[in-house]
Amino acid sequence: HSALTQPASVSGSPGQSITIPCTGTSNDVGAYNYVSWYQQHPGTPPKLLIYDVYNRPSGVSDRFSGSKSGNTASLTISGLQAEDEADYYCASYTKTSIRLFGGGTKLTVL
Amino acid sequence: QVQLVQSGAEVTKPGSSVKVSCKTSGGTFSSYVISWVRQAPGQGFEWMGGIIPELNAAHYAQKFQGRVTFTADESTSTAYMELSSLRSEDTALYYCARDYRDFHESRGVFGSWGQGTLVSVSS
Repeated sequence: HSALTQPASVSGSPGQSITIPCTGTSNDVGAYNYVSWYQQHPGTPPKLLIYDVYNRPSGVSDRFSGSKSGNTASLTISGLQAEDEADYYCASYTKTSIRLFGGGTKLTVL
Repeated sequence: QVQLVQSGAEVTKPGSSVKVSCKTSGGTFSSYVISWVRQAPGQGFEWMGGIIPELNAAHYAQKFQGRVTFTADESTSTAYMELSSLRSEDTALYYCARDYRDFHESRGVFGSWGQGTLVSVSS
C-alpha cells in the first residue's frame, strides 16, 4: 500500500473556501466510507476533524466538511480563518485492515 | 475527556531497542484500539499497528513485523510500544492514538492522541 496522495500545499484568503483532495485506490478510499481528516498545528498532536467521510465529532466547526467521489475524498474548509493555517492529513481504512495516511497538505491563509 | 500521556524523549544507539508508554485516562481503555503512529522529521504519518487491550490482540503493519511489539496493561490503562534493532531511519516522533469508537466498530479513526515521544537514533 502506498500513501494516499494529497497536494503539498494549498492557500486561500480569509473568508474564502478551499478544498483539499485525497486520492487513493479501490483498495482503500474507494472501498469503504472510512476516510478521516486531521488538523495539525506545529508542535501539537493531530486533531480529528472528519470521520467516515462526512461526519464531524462534537466541537468541530461546521466550516469543515468532507465528501468522496470514487477513489478521491475531499476536505472543504469554508469561511477561511487565520487559525485554520495548519497541516491537514487524510487517512483511510483499507481492505487489508491497515490504516493509510496521506502525505499531508500545508494550508496557508494569505 | 480522554487523555493519553506518553513517556519522555529517548536517545538511543543503532541496534538497540526502545519502549514507549502511553497512559490513558478519562475513558474506557480495554475495548478501544490503541494505535501507534510515527512521524519522521518534516514528514507525514506512518501507521505502525494497534492493539485491543481486552483481547490482547495486536495487528502490526507489515513493514514493522518482527521488529515491533505492542502490549497493554489493563490494570494501569497503559499501552506500550517496543521497537527493536533501531536504525537512524527510525528517528521520529511516536504517537499513541485511541480509536474514536470501540473495537467492534474500529475503522482507523483516531479520536484522541498522546503528545508524542521523540525517539532519536544516533551513534
